[in-house]
Amino acid sequence: AQKITQTQPGMFVQEKEAVTLDCTYDTSDQSYGLFWYKQPSSGEMIFLIYQGSYDEQNATEGRYSLNFQKARKSANLVISASQLGDSAMYFCAMRDYGGSQGNLIFGKGTKLSVKP
Amino acid sequence: NAGVMQNPRHLVRRRGQEARLRCSPMKGHSHVYWYRQLPEEGLKFMVYLQKENIIDESGMPKERFSAEFPKEGPSILRIQQVVRGDSAAYFCASSPRTGMYTEAFFGQGTRLTVV
Repeated sequence: AQKITQTQPGMFVQEKEAVTLDCTYDTSDQSYGLFWYKQPSSGEMIFLIYQGSYDEQNATEGRYSLNFQKARKSANLVISASQLGDSAMYFCAMRDYGGSQGNLIFGKGTKLSVKP
Repeated sequence: NAGVMQNPRHLVRRRGQEARLRCSPMKGHSHVYWYRQLPEEGLKFMVYLQKENIIDESGMPKERFSAEFPKEGPSILRIQQVVRGDSAAYFCASSPRTGMYTEAFFGQGTRLTVV
């Protein structure tokens, strides 16, 4: 069965430093997509970054990058130069065809707190 | 281009009442997904719909819950005879097509509180 594991319930980082949020996944499919979403205290789900299983290069979007290690089945999110506004819940998610034509499977999330 | 619109943002219902949650997908999107988020949890898939069709409802509770996405108008998630355990945030997401490389755009969610 498909599964996403986020082992860090909470993380602290100093403003302007980099932080890595861990995500491991489990799937028997060869083709899949990995997503990261941010959920601030206001509650909306904000798409951050995407990595396809066949992408050879790690995805980057501004201050966000995805450290994709396919053999280890990990897709860690790296946030560089943390800002106070980065304080939020972060969810890793996966989409493959083992599920129902593309619904997302989410981890339980990591709460990131950025300290001034 | 307006994003995914959900209303109401907050909904309070007494036990036994009905809750109706609405979702208008982004323009041009014909695929709608509903998710439920319990406190301190990630989102859990409930149902996937295309216009006038339920494609997958494997995540829906067997009783009291139903969903529709009519030809005209928003998608509706309906919960009959609500109980305290239904209190959660309900998110709708839409996509222009299906496929594992397709991003899903989320609405702001409806927070249902059952008292």
